[in-house]
Amino acid sequence: GAVVSQHPSRVICKSGTSVKIECRSLDFQATTMFWYRQFPKKSLMLMATSNEGSKATYEQGVEKDKFLINHASLTLSTLTVTSAHPEDSSFYICSAPVDREGNTIYFGEGSWLTVV
Amino acid sequence: DAKTTQPTSMDCAEGRAANLPCNHSTISGNEYVYWYRQIHSQGPQYIIHGLKNNETNEMASLIITEDRKSSTLILPHATLRDTAVYYCIVRARAGSGGKLTFGQGTILTVHP
Repeated sequence: GAVVSQHPSRVICKSGTSVKIECRSLDFQATTMFWYRQFPKKSLMLMATSNEGSKATYEQGVEKDKFLINHASLTLSTLTVTSAHPEDSSFYICSAPVDREGNTIYFGEGSWLTVV
Repeated sequence: DAKTTQPTSMDCAEGRAANLPCNHSTISGNEYVYWYRQIHSQGPQYIIHGLKNNETNEMASLIITEDRKSSTLILPHATLRDTAVYYCIVRARAGSGGKLTFGQGTILTVHP
């Protein structure tokens, strides 16, 4: 069945550096993907909508220059956390709808980011 | 999307049915009820969804009240692996493009 894969599953980076997280749809094309972040014991919070071939749409309060999103192909969206700080440490999750209407949505396995 | 209210936590004995309630009193006519669950340190997993009729699949059953203001997710024979956070989400099926708004969910703990 349809699968959404994220890489890396865990990453540790130093403060001030940038880190990239990939989200791939493995056997379907996704013109839209969604990025969420989740702090420990909290719910998922939508960060942005990644649109293939155009700019991402960010939710209120999410810094677009801090969290760079690129959706260069129909199967890949990337989230780059720039100039990472310890407070950016979180669980980042992507999702992709199989159909345009978003009736069936698959989530990636998530990526743990730790900034030291 | 309509707001949902779920209990913060629930316990269930292994092998027994787990009944997870969700209140969505402001649901509108074109909104579906979706259930996802999230096992620790994993991405959410789709369970089931419905509009107004009761639904059943290999994972669970969904009972929606006649006025559609509340619903119950039923795991008929809970196992230890069903321990997770369960999210009830109400959304319009068409036009939303796949964006989901997660509430706090219910932490279900299945005990041996």
